[in-house]
Amino acid sequence: QSVLTQPPSVSGAPGQRVTISCTGSSSDIGAGHDVHWYQQLPGTAPKVLIYANTHRPSGVPGRFSGSKSGTSASLAITGLQAEDEADYYCQSFDSTLSGYVVFGGGTKLTVL
Amino acid sequence: EVQLVESGGGLVQPGRSLRLSCVVSGFTFDDYAMHWVRQAPGKGLEWVSGISWNSEDTGYADSVQGRFTISRDNAKNFLYLQMNSLSDEDTALYYCAKDKTQWVAYYMDVWGKGTTVIVSS
Repeated sequence: QSVLTQPPSVSGAPGQRVTISCTGSSSDIGAGHDVHWYQQLPGTAPKVLIYANTHRPSGVPGRFSGSKSGTSASLAITGLQAEDEADYYCQSFDSTLSGYVVFGGGTKLTVL
Repeated sequence: EVQLVESGGGLVQPGRSLRLSCVVSGFTFDDYAMHWVRQAPGKGLEWVSGISWNSEDTGYADSVQGRFTISRDNAKNFLYLQMNSLSDEDTALYYCAKDKTQWVAYYMDVWGKGTTVIVSS
């Protein structure tokens, strides 16, 4: 069972805007820890899409943006494209666990 | 070019052990923390373990605590994962990943392609 909760799936037509939520608790996101997002295209390793809540690594299109508020975070994708069809994961830090890193369960984005 | 290449996966019987390796190149290995993340077939990402740059700090998921041991050899640019008492629930693709910082943990900015572990009799 994932510590961070994501919707299992979202979908949208090309050109539309979709958002993916990531809900945590007072021990992870709510404790002020940063949220990071990864994109995993089919058959490939994950790659970081958004780091530190809102920052995009070089090479990531501006269509992707992140936000964080309270115990939740969101990933927004505008101008949806077919190549955005992938699994998306949020990740944060939980200092109350014996480990530290927590992932969301992942969200499958389908481009209609 | 930054590269992480995992090896050591394979088919192993329940209860047996396996050691995964990850060799890195293209960056100063001992400047960064490292992680193992796994993905069971058709499932999401699960963080397994992480280790700080100097090996002084390690962390484990509850599901592997006491069975798996992470280690690194900074002189050889290698990360390891010793896996003992394996069960079918450990069947997964295991990724080696580099942390952005020295400490366990922030986020993973570089990933390998993974090595597959299948636990079955």
